[in-house]
Amino acid sequence: QVQLVESGGGVVQPGRSLRLSCAASGFTFRSYGMHWVRQAPGKGLEWVAVISYDGTKKYYGDSVKGRFTISRDNSKNTLYLQMNSLRAEDTAVYYCAKVKGIYSSSPFHLDYWGQGTLVTVSS
Amino acid sequence: DIQMTQSPSSLSASVGDRVTITCQASQDISNYLNWYQQKPGKAPKLLIYDASNLETGVPSRFSGSGSGTDFTFTISSLQPEDIATYYCQQYDNLPSTTFGQGTRLEIK
Repeated sequence: QVQLVESGGGVVQPGRSLRLSCAASGFTFRSYGMHWVRQAPGKGLEWVAVISYDGTKKYYGDSVKGRFTISRDNSKNTLYLQMNSLRAEDTAVYYCAKVKGIYSSSPFHLDYWGQGTLVTVSS
Repeated sequence: DIQMTQSPSSLSASVGDRVTITCQASQDISNYLNWYQQKPGKAPKLLIYDASNLETGVPSRFSGSGSGTDFTFTISSLQPEDIATYYCQQYDNLPSTTFGQGTRLEIK
């Protein structure tokens, strides 16, 4: 069965960096686009970034553009989110999510999600 | 940017009730809308895609309709396990997407 397991969250000071990982299993990882979506405590869902199945296309939400970088290693079945210049408003649970459609099909239908990893930005 | 207005923000209903949630887009998004369910402490789950298509394995009491700017999500007969927050998501302005603010559903 599809499994997505995020890791790398924790407490970090404003202005510092953190890298999140998402280990995927149960499907052909290299064939599917992947997303990061976050949720601040007690708040709604906010889309962060998407990467194509082959890693050649990457897009970001306005609030993280220029600070966050999404990447993937298809040989390791792992998705990453490098977060730089962190701010208090980046505090959230970060979810990785799999695209429903293979290759470039239905790129924004998110059919499987991990359980999330909490990032707290605080001095 | 496309804004999504979801209503109500919360609602309370009884088991067996028909429940309706609406999502309004600030501009025409065709049928580029999904619905997700998020139970407390859990990750979201895709229920409906492309406005009206039921995701595999999702009970048939869940349904979606609409196109253009106005969309509706319906639970035909509310069950206790449906307690959750429901989100709409538009994906018309690729390559980005936005979620509605959520509707928190409680049992009366």
